[in-house]
Amino acid sequence: DAKTTQPNSMESNEEEPVHLPCNHSTISGTDYIHWYRQLPSQGPEYVIHGLTSNVNNRMASLAIAEDRKSSTLILHRATLRDAAVYYCILSVSQGAQKLVFGQGTRLTINP
Amino acid sequence: DTGVSQDPRHKITKRGQNVTFRCDPISEHNRLYWYRQTLGQGPEFLTYFQNEAQLEKSRLLSDRFSAERPKGSFSTLEIQRTEQGDSAMYLCASTLVKGPNYGYTFGSGTRLTVV
Repeated sequence: DAKTTQPNSMESNEEEPVHLPCNHSTISGTDYIHWYRQLPSQGPEYVIHGLTSNVNNRMASLAIAEDRKSSTLILHRATLRDAAVYYCILSVSQGAQKLVFGQGTRLTINP
Repeated sequence: DTGVSQDPRHKITKRGQNVTFRCDPISEHNRLYWYRQTLGQGPEFLTYFQNEAQLEKSRLLSDRFSAERPKGSFSTLEIQRTEQGDSAMYLCASTLVKGPNYGYTFGSGTRLTVV
């Protein structure tokens, strides 16, 4: 399974944008980029996923580099409820398509 | 649609006892996964079902572990002769496979403590 690299932790302020980076230099052409987040004592929550083009939804935006070796999850206006561990995961497009979680980025939001 | 439900939320058991967890996926979802998460780590894949068929098992799933998904609906995960190393959060996720890739919905998990 292709691996991703994320910073262990990041900190931001409430109501400001947050850019969470992820490196995936060994990504293959059919790997999708997924982001999940996990709040304490809860299961992971799907945030967004994409293949090549940038993606937007009500929670966040996903910016994918042209060579697909990196991506950035953008929270446009952070709230205290966005404090969580954010996981960047590569998912193949066939077979089990299981998610291989790394350590993720622990995001702290300051009031 | 109330999401993925897991029962119980917490389980404390004595070493050597058997335990069973239940997962109710979103009703129309045809694929169901089990993961295990220990403190400070990301979730690790255990096994998955496509409808009622169990298609892959991780090496983490020792002979003491068994999972079923009768009739392709709810799923159970049983651990026999529990050990202290089995203490973890057990997570269930489901999805509807209808394209090349898709998001997963996770339950809140069952936290197992073996004493």
